[in-house]
Amino acid sequence: QKEVEQDPGPLSVPEGAIVSLNCTYSNSAFQYFMWYRQYSRKGPELLMYTYSSGNKEDGRFTAQVDKSSKYISLFIRDSQPSDSATYLCAMSSPSGGSYIPTFGRGTSLIVHP
Amino acid sequence: DAGVIQSPRHEVTEMGQEVTLRCKPISGHDYLFWYRQTMMRGLELLIYFNNNVPIDDSGMPEDRFSAKMPNASFSTLKIQPSEPRDSAVYFCASSFLVPSGNTIYFGEGSWLTVV
Repeated sequence: QKEVEQDPGPLSVPEGAIVSLNCTYSNSAFQYFMWYRQYSRKGPELLMYTYSSGNKEDGRFTAQVDKSSKYISLFIRDSQPSDSATYLCAMSSPSGGSYIPTFGRGTSLIVHP
Repeated sequence: DAGVIQSPRHEVTEMGQEVTLRCKPISGHDYLFWYRQTMMRGLELLIYFNNNVPIDDSGMPEDRFSAKMPNASFSTLKIQPSEPRDSAVYFCASSFLVPSGNTIYFGEGSWLTVV
């Protein structure tokens, strides 16, 4: 079992839909949880991060962490075609004093007009 | 800042040839990472450096792969000899690795095809 599991999709939704992207993990030491967005033929870019459990909102995006279930989610409200990308979750712990993140495989999202 | 700069962006080479990928990290960042991305395996960490020193190369698949960071502004990833299964996108990334934020900045990738 990989440390971070993420369904690769693709997930196809109509414009305006609410999108839910999820990851599960096995390492209870993870403290920081991140979502990266990767457009086609580009490198990943950090979208949001949260520390420990709870929710964080940024515009149409909400990141949610449930440490008891080892489950994180990214919600996108009012999805737009410009949101079409691959979304990678990542998580890190202070192992050895560093915070090297472990990435999920990424979920491909397609928002069609 | 120009961001992380990688070259070449695209490389097509024949099996058995040497491939050298280059990276210029963001100025002032003390961590540099090399990743490989494929459809099957996703994003894999190959090796990372801290202050130009290799810290963990456990992700390097074989002895055919080597990486160097001779100074704070330059790193190379070399594959010799290359094989078709090395075909992938190779990303260089750099960061300050502090607890808050944890932003890793990626380059646009080097798309390698070995035929």
